[in-house]
Amino acid sequence: KAGVTQTPRYLIKTRGQQVTLSCSPISGHRSVSWYQQTPGQGLQFLFEYFSETQRNKGNFPGRFSGRQFSNSRSEMNVSTLELGDSALYLCASSQGTTGNTIYFGEGSWLTVV
Amino acid sequence: GENVEQHPSTLSVQEGDSAVIKCTYSDSASNYFPWYKQELGKGPQLIIDIRSNVGEKKDQRIAVTLNKTAKHFSLHITETQPEDSAVYFCAASGSTSSGGYNKLIFGAGTRLAVHP
Repeated sequence: KAGVTQTPRYLIKTRGQQVTLSCSPISGHRSVSWYQQTPGQGLQFLFEYFSETQRNKGNFPGRFSGRQFSNSRSEMNVSTLELGDSALYLCASSQGTTGNTIYFGEGSWLTVV
Repeated sequence: GENVEQHPSTLSVQEGDSAVIKCTYSDSASNYFPWYKQELGKGPQLIIDIRSNVGEKKDQRIAVTLNKTAKHFSLHITETQPEDSAVYFCAASGSTSSGGYNKLIFGAGTRLAVHP
């Protein structure tokens, strides 16, 4: 059974640009959530999608957005990139009920220059 | 707000010794407590989890205990090996009353070094 797949693994962007990251959850999982990991702030929850609907959101500015498709694959977008957006962006998948096991992908390393 | 505190931030042990990492959470409605191991350049790997209706769970050399009254849970690794060296994160689920679902609140992490 394939795990959580994230693409791209590494990318470099310039300030002001926008970026789209992709996540394919484990087969059969309907919930996809996104986290930002930085040395200073640790792992922080961005948002969660379930059945194409955002049902939970963290404390990030509106420049961070996401969506989920009917096949449960998800994308997150960051617009008007800032240097502080440099981070490891992690996708996690689960079946969707509170208390379900949550599995993470390997992440997408974003560097903003 | 929801918060998870994790101690210690660094832990150094000799191969074969035990390692214990402790976490305290703030939201009494949290009901799911996973532990993740993260190696350099990789995503967090689930190593064990426990739910609020269970006090202890063991998987080979790894065990987790949960004290809901005190709102703390701990990871115990016995017979440590050099390959156990990594950063370990505890997490607690956000409660359903706040729309938690699969929102995890993470501790700051513990860097474990196992010396041969």
